[in-house]
Amino acid sequence: DGGITQSPKYLFRKEGQNVTLSCEQNLNHDAMYWYRQDPGQGLRLIYYSQIVNDFQKGDIAEGYSVSREKKESFPLTVTSAQKNPTAFYLCASSIVNEKLFFGSGTQLSVL
Amino acid sequence: SQKIEQNSEALNIQEGKTATLTCNYTNYSPAYLQWYRQDPGRGPVFLLLIRENEKEKRKERLKVTFDTTLKQSLFHITASQPADSATYLCALDTDSGYALNFGKGTSLLVTP
Repeated sequence: DGGITQSPKYLFRKEGQNVTLSCEQNLNHDAMYWYRQDPGQGLRLIYYSQIVNDFQKGDIAEGYSVSREKKESFPLTVTSAQKNPTAFYLCASSIVNEKLFFGSGTQLSVL
Repeated sequence: SQKIEQNSEALNIQEGKTATLTCNYTNYSPAYLQWYRQDPGRGPVFLLLIRENEKEKRKERLKVTFDTTLKQSLFHITASQPADSATYLCALDTDSGYALNFGKGTSLLVTP
C-alpha cells in the first residue's frame, strides 16, 4: 500500500529527554512536512523539506530538530528545549505545491 | 500578520440539508486554497483545491467557491449525511509557497 506512516502512535517523554518521531513515505514525494496540533487548534508548521538534505523552519521550530537524509524519511526530534511538547504531531508529504497526504499522527505526552 | 479565520462554533445541521462553512483570510495573496476533513485522532484528508483564477469547483456533493476580492472561500456539502460529521480545515499556501498554513477548523455535526 502506498502511503505515509508515522510511528509510534503514542509516545511519552520524561523530563529532560529527547524523543524522535518517525515519518516514512513511499509515495515518491519530494516534499515532507511536520505539523503540531493542540486541542481545538489548527495545525502549526514546525519544519518542512522540499528536497533531500535540505529543510526550512516553520512558525514554531524552536525546540525541534529534523533531518532529511533519504527521500522517504523525515524524522522529527523533540528536544528537551521544547518546554511544552504535549500535542498531536502530524507528518505529511506532497508533490510540491499540491495536496498534502497526512500520516495518522503521533500523540506525545509528558510523564 | 497573516490570519486564516474559520467559524469557531460548531455547525449543527439536519441530514439532507446543505452545510456551508466559511474561511476568511487576511494579509495573504494565495495562489490556491485547499479544504481538508479531519476525524478525531486522525490526520486530515484532502478534499478540494481551488486556484486563484477559479471561482468555483465541484466534486460530487462538495462545492468550493473562492473570492479573492472578499478574501473568502465557502465550502458547501449538499444533501449532508451523518457520515459527513467531522472537522473541516481550510489551508492557504505560505509566503514561501512551499507549505500550507491551516485555519483552526469548523466542526460539523449532521444529525439524522
